This record gives sequence, structure tokens and C-alpha cells, in this order.
Amino acid sequence: DLQMTQSPSSLSASVGDRVTITCRASHSISSYLNWYQQKAGKAPNLLISAASSLQSGVPSRFSGRGSGTDFTLTISSLQPEDFASYYCQQSYSVPFTFGGGTKVQI
Amino acid sequence: QVQLQESGPGLVKPSGTLSLTCAVSGGSISSSNWWSWVRQPPKKGLEWIGEIYHSGSTNYNPSLKSRVTISVDKSKNQFSLKLSSVTAADTAVYYCAETSVAGVYYHWGQGILVSVSS
Repeated sequence: DLQMTQSPSSLSASVGDRVTITCRASHSISSYLNWYQQKAGKAPNLLISAASSLQSGVPSRFSGRGSGTDFTLTISSLQPEDFASYYCQQSYSVPFTFGGGTKVQI
Repeated sequence: QVQLQESGPGLVKPSGTLSLTCAVSGGSISSSNWWSWVRQPPKKGLEWIGEIYHSGSTNYNPSLKSRVTISVDKSKNQFSLKLSSVTAADTAVYYCAETSVAGVYYHWGQGILVSVSS
């Protein structure tokens, strides 16, 4: 199985900060990398697919980059509503594995 | 827009079988989509369980494959998950999800907590 490693596992930041989360795949997955946001008690919500394609309705302060094995999710200016956990997920091959998650605390 | 709703028992006894259903509205389960299950143990990360295509083709997580069955009921526009020989480690929130692009989950159910306990 492809292993997805996210870092950091948690971070504390202030409103307005630039935040970057890293995801590394154990093997190359081209651009088959997705990012989800999950708020407490809610289902995950797709933010970015194919490494950098922002989903409709997602604020432009979110961006994704990378290909192969190394990927990043960046929030350019953190807002109070961005308090959540973030997960990367590879859709290159089954089983579609997720990273361990990053909890962003404001 | 497709909407998904999980249902089933919230408590299952150890060694029993967990059975959940995901009702699909706003779209047909016979469309060219993948119908999937993902779970999340309390305070832990997400684990992909498996998926079924509208044709009936399935893919399962190898770590669960011997215990998992996913099926579709086209007459009821729903799909189901069965997980046998459950233990406390199977306690989790179970989500159903849908996608037209393999592995990219645009639509999710709200989730259902299933506890395994005697």
C-alpha cells in the first residue's frame, strides 16, 4: 500500500498567518493527491483535487502544489473558520490511503 | 446534487457483523460513479474501507478484505457495508461517499458512529 505521511501533526497559528502543511507519498503518485478539511463532528470536505485544483466555493487563500512524492497545502492568510483538521489522500491506486492529519489550532 | 445518508445499528456486539446502509438521493446509484465507505476511529484519522462501481465491481482495503462486503441495491437506490467478526478496534464513525472520479470524494454522508461493545 502507498503510505502517506503528513507533517506537522498539529500546529498553532494566529489569524493572518501563512500556514503550510506537507504530505509525502512513499512512492510517486504523479498528481493524484487530494486535500480535505474536516471540522469537529463533520464529514471531510474536499478542498483541492489533483494536487492543485481548487474546488468550487473554496476560498482562494487555499492552494496546493507538488507532484511525484512531495506535496504542500498552503493557507495564505489564516482565518478563524480555518480551525480544523486537514488530510491529504492519494487517489493513484487502491487502497486510497489518507495521511495522518494535521490539526490547525488558532 | 447527490446526497448521502447512512443508517444502521449504533451498537454491535464483539464477533458480530456490522451492517450499514447508505441511501442515495438526488441521483441514481446506477450512474457512472463509485460508491465508497470510509471510517474514522474516535480521535484518529481516516481509513478507506472500499468501493463499488455501478456495474458491481468492487475494491477493498487489503487490511479488511477478508471481513468486508459492499453491495448495491438498485431498486432502493442504496448501497451497503457488511463487516464481519468485529472487535473494539472497529469502533468508528463510518462515512459513505460518492465520486465520479476514482478516489476523489466530492460528496459525503454525515457519518454514523458504530460502537463495538458487549
